[in-house]
Amino acid sequence: GAGVSQTPSNKVTEKGKYVELRCDPISGHTALYWYRQSLGQGPEFLIYFQGTGAADDSGLPNDRFFAVRPEGSVSTLKIQRTERGDSAVYLCASSHGGLAGVPNEQFFGPGTRLTVL
Amino acid sequence: GENVEQHPSTLSVQEGDSAVIKCTYSDSASNYFPWYKQELGKRPQLIIDIRSNVGEKKDQRIAVTLNKTAKHFSLHITETQPEDSAVYFCAARNQNTGGFKTIFGAGTRLFVKA
Repeated sequence: GAGVSQTPSNKVTEKGKYVELRCDPISGHTALYWYRQSLGQGPEFLIYFQGTGAADDSGLPNDRFFAVRPEGSVSTLKIQRTERGDSAVYLCASSHGGLAGVPNEQFFGPGTRLTVL
Repeated sequence: GENVEQHPSTLSVQEGDSAVIKCTYSDSASNYFPWYKQELGKRPQLIIDIRSNVGEKKDQRIAVTLNKTAKHFSLHITETQPEDSAVYFCAARNQNTGGFKTIFGAGTRLFVKA
């Protein structure tokens, strides 16, 4: 596609429910990232994938958060037993995987605004 | 852990004046420093970046400087225009290991008054 897309654009759920957020990266980008952005803050790194594997998941806040990318393209961020503190904009980005030492611009999606009531 | 501090949190300038945003990073292994612009309700977009092997980079009205010893880097916008009004984020990353974990600052909200 022309850019990174995310669905849904908005998600309202109740405390304790399960949610899935989807990211479609730019075609051909091997690296995919998930960030969480709270109001007035910068994007907070959650996890990044190189192909199908999670290369770094050190930003996931706890075991309620999980992400998959089974075919190396679309990714789904899954949040179990949602809490009010999970409310934020969840941003996805993608880039070329590239070689170590070579900057690879991350292109962001529009985000999914998650509200946990 | 890794941390990026950004100042000021809010900056208001008159059209035509310059704006400077400063960041410091904690991880001395960081070697790539992108800057993003985020307009209200929109996604962050890369505006300029700098690698640790250079001290300064310019692109029209935008320049970035890097002081590796002090672990400081700055964004300079000259001849500001109302359309420069947005939130600007600095970020830092260590690319030597092939990783792409990027740490962002908290952002600077820039207002350019016409």
